[in-house]
Amino acid sequence: GAVVSQHPSRVICKSGTSVKIECRSLDFQATTMFWYRQFPKQSLMLMATSNEGSKATYEQGVEKDKFLINHASLTLSTLTVTSAHPEDSSFYICSARGQGMSYNEQFFGPGTRLTVL
Amino acid sequence: SQQGEEDPQALSIQEGENATMNCSYKTSINNLQWYRQNSGRGLVHLILIRSNEREKHSGRLRVTLDTSKKSSSLLITASRAADTASYFCATSYSGGSYIPTFGRGTSLIVHP
Repeated sequence: GAVVSQHPSRVICKSGTSVKIECRSLDFQATTMFWYRQFPKQSLMLMATSNEGSKATYEQGVEKDKFLINHASLTLSTLTVTSAHPEDSSFYICSARGQGMSYNEQFFGPGTRLTVL
Repeated sequence: SQQGEEDPQALSIQEGENATMNCSYKTSINNLQWYRQNSGRGLVHLILIRSNEREKHSGRLRVTLDTSKKSSSLLITASRAADTASYFCATSYSGGSYIPTFGRGTSLIVHP
């Protein structure tokens, strides 16, 4: 099956610093990637959708200047949390949909646990 | 909210028993999917059921869909300790962007 990886799996940073999370599709070309965040015992909330080569579409309430998304290639999307604060601590999960895949299909990465001190 | 809502929020059973989780939603859907998430990990897709289907099976999993009641159930038969995880339903809405909307999940613990 299609595999999506994320790096790093865990990151701890100081308040005010920026953190970059990578999402890679390992064995398929991801035309669309999705970024979610998940608080403990909560649902996955979609943050943004990115299509390769174009600007990401952010969900209502998600600050695009704070959560920078780049989808520069068909196998890599990055999420940068700028000037991170403790309230940004969360579990960030990406998913990817590839060329020729059904619109129902998306493959999830293992997630990145961000802790902001 | 378009979110699906799972019920119960938590379920604790003994190995070998069946586990049933329910999902209710509010508007017309194209399809409903069930996912599994082990603690601190990503999601694994379990099964998709379309709005014109009533029941699907996959191994020990059985999913039903009742569009008149706007609800779905996931049954795991003969549960195993390895089934311990959170289970989420995700709905894609008619006329929507086909990006699934997730519920809050059911936390299942299967005791060996």
